[in-house]
Amino acid sequence: DVKVTQSSRYLVKRTGEKVFLECVQDMDHENMFWYRQDPGLGLRLIYFSYDVKMKEKGDIPEGYSVSREKKERFSLILESASTNQTSMYLCASTKWDTEAFFGQGTRLTVV
Amino acid sequence: DQQVKQNSPSLSVQEGRISILNCDYTNSMFDYFLWYKKYPAEGPTFLISISSIKDKNEDGRFTVFLNKSAKHLSLHIVPSQPGDSAVYFCAASLSGTYKYIFGTGTRLKVLA
Repeated sequence: DVKVTQSSRYLVKRTGEKVFLECVQDMDHENMFWYRQDPGLGLRLIYFSYDVKMKEKGDIPEGYSVSREKKERFSLILESASTNQTSMYLCASTKWDTEAFFGQGTRLTVV
Repeated sequence: DQQVKQNSPSLSVQEGRISILNCDYTNSMFDYFLWYKKYPAEGPTFLISISSIKDKNEDGRFTVFLNKSAKHLSLHIVPSQPGDSAVYFCAASLSGTYKYIFGTGTRLKVLA
């Protein structure tokens, strides 16, 4: 079974802190994604990566950056957390043109 | 601009009856569609998919129908069970882009 693991289930951070969300997949998938889920807005794509050290902006990249130094790991970075970044963050991975497998999600609260 | 729309935020169905969840899309170039189920505090799990070369795909209690001319897909769950109560997301993709565009979700409640 494909396993996508996010480092934390719940996080509480202060405004202005730098926040790292880590995601690891164990199925040698090329593509990895970061989404956020908010009520009434569904899942919105923040960034994705189709190869090591490659990244592309999704629909809402502002305030975020990403890092993919190894194929299995994709990190989302909030450079200076703000309260409007309180959300559920979901990491996903896929092989080319197949269904995406999601991690369990990280519920981030910025206070 | 929402390219994938789920116009019903919620749906309640009696156990044993059919649940029909709907999804509309605006981009006629989308050629791969998926449905995901999501329980609270968990990541979405893949349910079923359909390629644009088909108009129906079935997997057990779940059937997805695609109407390309109407840019509409639907998920049928028969018979519905209380464990099906969750939020359902449809998603669309364009081959070669490796991106999935998700709808806003429909919360299904199956009443025992």
